[in-house]
Amino acid sequence: QVQLHQWGAGLLRPSETLSLTCDVYGGSFSGYYWSWIRQPPGKGLEWIGEINHSGSTNYNPSLGSRVTMSVDTSKKQFSLKLSSVTAADTAVYYCARLAAAEANIDCWGQGILVTVSS
Amino acid sequence: DIQMTQSPSTLSASVGDRVTITCRASQSISTWLAWYQQKPGKAPKLLIYKASSLETGVPSRFSGSGSGTEFTLTIYGLQPDDFATYYCQQYNNSPWTFGQGTKVEIK
Repeated sequence: QVQLHQWGAGLLRPSETLSLTCDVYGGSFSGYYWSWIRQPPGKGLEWIGEINHSGSTNYNPSLGSRVTMSVDTSKKQFSLKLSSVTAADTAVYYCARLAAAEANIDCWGQGILVTVSS
Repeated sequence: DIQMTQSPSTLSASVGDRVTITCRASQSISTWLAWYQQKPGKAPKLLIYKASSLETGVPSRFSGSGSGTEFTLTIYGLQPDDFATYYCQQYNNSPWTFGQGTKVEIK
C-alpha cells in the first residue's frame, strides 16, 4: 500500500521560489510517473507536471519555465520547484502517483497549503 | 488544451436518489477519462478510470459511462458518505485537465 507524504514551506513572499518534496512509502518507485497537482482555495484542480524515476519530465505549459521537478530514487523522493511565485500561486499542492500505463491519479498525498503573501 | 465542462455545478439530492453528473470534453478523448471524489480538506480519491472501470475498493453504486466527448458518472442509491465534490479528468492529451467540479449537496 503506497503512501505519499509531502513537506515544504507553507508561506512565501512574492518572487520567492516554492519548494516541496514528496516521500514515497511502500510500493515500487520505478515504473510510475509522479505528479504535482494544485488547487487554489475554493477552486478546481490544476495539473502542474510529472516526472518518472529516470528524471523524464512533462510540465504544464501554462506555468512556463517556472516549474522544475526532480527525483531522488535512492530516497524514493520527488520534488517541485516553482519560481517567481505570486498570490495566484496560493493553493493546496498535492503530490500524486499516476497509475501504471495511464495518467489517471491513483494515489494522492495529504496536500499542503502554500500561501504567497507580502 | 482540452477543456472539460461538468454539469451541473451543484446538485441537491436525497439519500437513496440516483444522481447523474455529466462531463463534456472539447475534443474526443476516447475513453481516457477518470472521475474523482473530494471531501472538504481531503485529497481527491479515484473512483472510475478509463471512463467505466471501477477502482478497487470503490462501491459498485458508482458507475461511469461514455466515450469520445460525453461522459457520465452515476451514483445509484446515494449514501450519506457520497455528499462531496466530484471531478472528471481527461488523460488523452497532455496537459491533463480537470472539470470544474460538481458539488453534491444534501436536499
